[in-house]
Amino acid sequence: GQQVMQIPQYQHVQEGEDFTTYCNSSTTLSNIQWYKQRPGGHPVFLIQLVKSGEVKKQKRLTFQFGEAKKNSSLHITATQTTDVGTYFCARDGGSQGNLIFGKGTKLSVKP
Amino acid sequence: NAGVMQNPRHLVRRRGQEARLRCSPMKGHSHVYWYRQLPEEGLKFMVYLQKENIIDESGMPKERFSAEFPKEGPSILRIQQVVRGDSAAYFCASSPTGGAPNEQFFGPGTRLTVL
Repeated sequence: GQQVMQIPQYQHVQEGEDFTTYCNSSTTLSNIQWYKQRPGGHPVFLIQLVKSGEVKKQKRLTFQFGEAKKNSSLHITATQTTDVGTYFCARDGGSQGNLIFGKGTKLSVKP
Repeated sequence: NAGVMQNPRHLVRRRGQEARLRCSPMKGHSHVYWYRQLPEEGLKFMVYLQKENIIDESGMPKERFSAEFPKEGPSILRIQQVVRGDSAAYFCASSPTGGAPNEQFFGPGTRLTVL
């Protein structure tokens, strides 16, 4: 399967500012998943997007899947220190269900 | 309902030794995936197993690495004759069903350090 590219690699924000990370693929995606990994922790599933143009919200987090199903974004409104961590997007590696992860965007929040 | 269990959490080995990493999936999950994460990197798929079967090992190095998921007991990732480049965090994940798409539940990982 093709890789997914994530930008930016790092993002430093002041608490209260917004944050967005982008995930791009050169090929059409059947679905995209987002995970969060706290420092020293393990990936935790956030959401899965399947439909073209889909938008899902979880409190201050907004997830989008592009119309062409080649890109996705995660937007956090009014960041808090609890949002610190690395956010990964992941695509299917094939029909077996293994995941291909992007390199992640590491978010730091200054109080 | 206990989550995915991995042990040990930290493992230190000298070059040439063997490392054995264990993973117990969530109750009711029969699909196990192993991933490796280098510092400041994303996770790289290694192998996908069901009970007593290796389904996909396309991400596994051809030599020194092996995995199993016996009928009874945890899944085991074995690394023989470890080298410094094997130092990484190894995560296993489980899911109730195989195939795509599916949410994967990750264990806390085993941090392997090779001296």
